[in-house]
Amino acid sequence: GAGVSQTPSNKVTEKGKYVELRCDPISGHTALYWYRQSLGQGPEFLIYFQGTGAADDSGLPNDRFFAVRPEGSVSTLKIQRTERGDSAVYLCASSLITGGAGELFFGEGSRLTVL
Amino acid sequence: GENVEQHPSTLSVQEGDSAVIKCTYSDSASNYFPWYKQELGKRPQLIIDIRSNVGEKKDQRIAVTLNKTAKHFSLHITETQPEDSAVYFCAASEGLDSGGGADGLTFGKGTHLIIQP
Repeated sequence: GAGVSQTPSNKVTEKGKYVELRCDPISGHTALYWYRQSLGQGPEFLIYFQGTGAADDSGLPNDRFFAVRPEGSVSTLKIQRTERGDSAVYLCASSLITGGAGELFFGEGSRLTVL
Repeated sequence: GENVEQHPSTLSVQEGDSAVIKCTYSDSASNYFPWYKQELGKRPQLIIDIRSNVGEKKDQRIAVTLNKTAKHFSLHITETQPEDSAVYFCAASEGLDSGGGADGLTFGKGTHLIIQP
């Protein structure tokens, strides 16, 4: 596709449920990032993939959050036992340049609401 | 880890005037400093970036300056236009020289720029 695609665009779930958010990066982009953006805040780094491996997962808030990228393309962010504080827009970005040293191309985000 | 502070949180300027947004960072190893523009309900998009081997970079009405000694960098927009209204985010990373450090960009909290007609 022409840009980074994220699904779903909106997800409403109940506290305690499991959620999966999908990101389809720009073809050929090795680097893939997940960020979380709360209202009125800047994007908060969660995890960075270089190819299939998580090169840096230091931003994941706790062990309820997990992300995979099994074939080095599509990535899935998984949140277990969701809490109301998990409500935010989850942004995925991809880049041709690894290491956070080049332009990030963001998707439109997945807005998660935990009731 | 890296900490990026951004000021002001809101900036209102008359159309045609200049706007300046300032950021400071804490990690002296950071060497890549991009600026992103986010319109309401849209995705962030890169507008300009600078690397630590230069002190200033310009692109038409937009310029960024970097002072590595003081660990601060600024965005300058001249001749502001209504379409410049948006939230602007600065960011910093160690880039390709992370050497095992964090590889993600650390963003500031954003500046809501309002262009008054």
